[in-house]
Formats: sequence, C-alpha cells, structure tokens
Amino acid sequence: KQEVTQIPAALSVPEGENLVLNCSFTDSAIYNLQWFRQDPGKGLTSLLLIQSSQREQTSGRLNASLDKSSGRSTLYIAASQPGDSATYLCAVSGAGSYQLTFGKGTKLSVIP
Amino acid sequence: GAVVSQHPSRVICKSGTSVKIECRSLDFQATTMFWYRQFPKQSLMLMATSNEGSKATYEQGVEKDKFLINHASLTLSTLTVTSAHPEDSSFYICSARVGADYEQYFGPGTRLTVT
Repeated sequence: KQEVTQIPAALSVPEGENLVLNCSFTDSAIYNLQWFRQDPGKGLTSLLLIQSSQREQTSGRLNASLDKSSGRSTLYIAASQPGDSATYLCAVSGAGSYQLTFGKGTKLSVIP
Repeated sequence: GAVVSQHPSRVICKSGTSVKIECRSLDFQATTMFWYRQFPKQSLMLMATSNEGSKATYEQGVEKDKFLINHASLTLSTLTVTSAHPEDSSFYICSARVGADYEQYFGPGTRLTVT
C-alpha cells in the first residue's frame, strides 16, 4: 500500500526566503506526482504535475523535482511571499491507476 | 482550465437526516469523478471512484449504503450521506479526471456539520 509522507508538517519563514518542501513515497511504481495548495476551508489548487518520466516541472516561482527511484519529490518556492501561506499537499497516482494517495501536507506560514 | 464546482459549500443538518452534495464539471466532460473526505488537520482520504453510467467503487471501510454515489451524466456526480451522524461531519471534496489525462481537478469542497 502506497504511503506518502511530507516533512516538515509546518514551516514558518520570513518573507523573501527561498524554501523547500519535501515529499516521500514508499512505492516507486507511480504514474505521476502532483503538488497542490489548499487554503483554510477551501478545496485544492493544482500547482504542478510531474509525470513519472520527468525529473522536474517549473511554474513561475515554483519548481518541483521528482526522483522516482528513491521515492522523493521536492517543491522549491523562490522568494516567498505572505500570499504563499497555505497548506501544500503532495499526491501520487499509482502506475495503471488514477487514484491519488495524499500526504498530510506541510503548513507554510510566510511572515511579512 | 478545467473547473469543478460543488454545491452546497456548507451544510448543517440534524442527525438522522440525509444530505446530497453535487459535483459538476463545468467546462469539460468527466469520465471519472472521485469523492474524498478530509478531517481536520488530516489529509484527503479517497472514499469512492465514480464512473459515468456505472456503479461506484468504494474504498475499504466506506459504507456504500451510507454514502450513495450517483454519476448519471458526464458532468454531474452526487454524494448522498444517508442517516447522517455527528461523526460524518467533515469536509467532502470531489475531483474529476479528464479522459486519458490522469490529472485530477478538484472542487472547492463542502463542509458538512451534523448536529
């Protein structure tokens, strides 16, 4: 059974700092990995999708990497802003399956 | 981009009553929709997978007679919580998959409170 772990559970940084969020998964036979953002009481916003054959994806100040063989992914946020404060969720879909397994998320607070 | 809506966004009901939550794909046809539940400070847990025109597939531990799922069209899936109890209070989120694209698009969620 796939398990997804996100470290740290919470992170507080001053505005402008670069930061890295970590995600690990136990079964490397994945189809893709997604990073989501969730604001309090809201649904999920997809940030980046990395296919299993890819190593990284970039969108604006966000960069996500994937090392499938070691079961790890990182989300790099450059020049953090208070508006980046949210919970960031990592999810993987298994090979041959479209079901997503989520981590518990990292709650990010960017202090002005 | 692909937009998924949910209705209602919040609902409060009395114990023993039933509540229906709608999930719609607004600008695309979704062959598959998913229903998740999220408890406070926990991650999303998949409840069931719904394919248009067929019975939903429920995850282990999810009571299919309690959580009725109907996916009558390519743009609408409904989740009915029957005989709701306070322990059913949670945040319910749906998502939709677009054809062969395995990316899922999520709705804004429905906060259910059972008193």
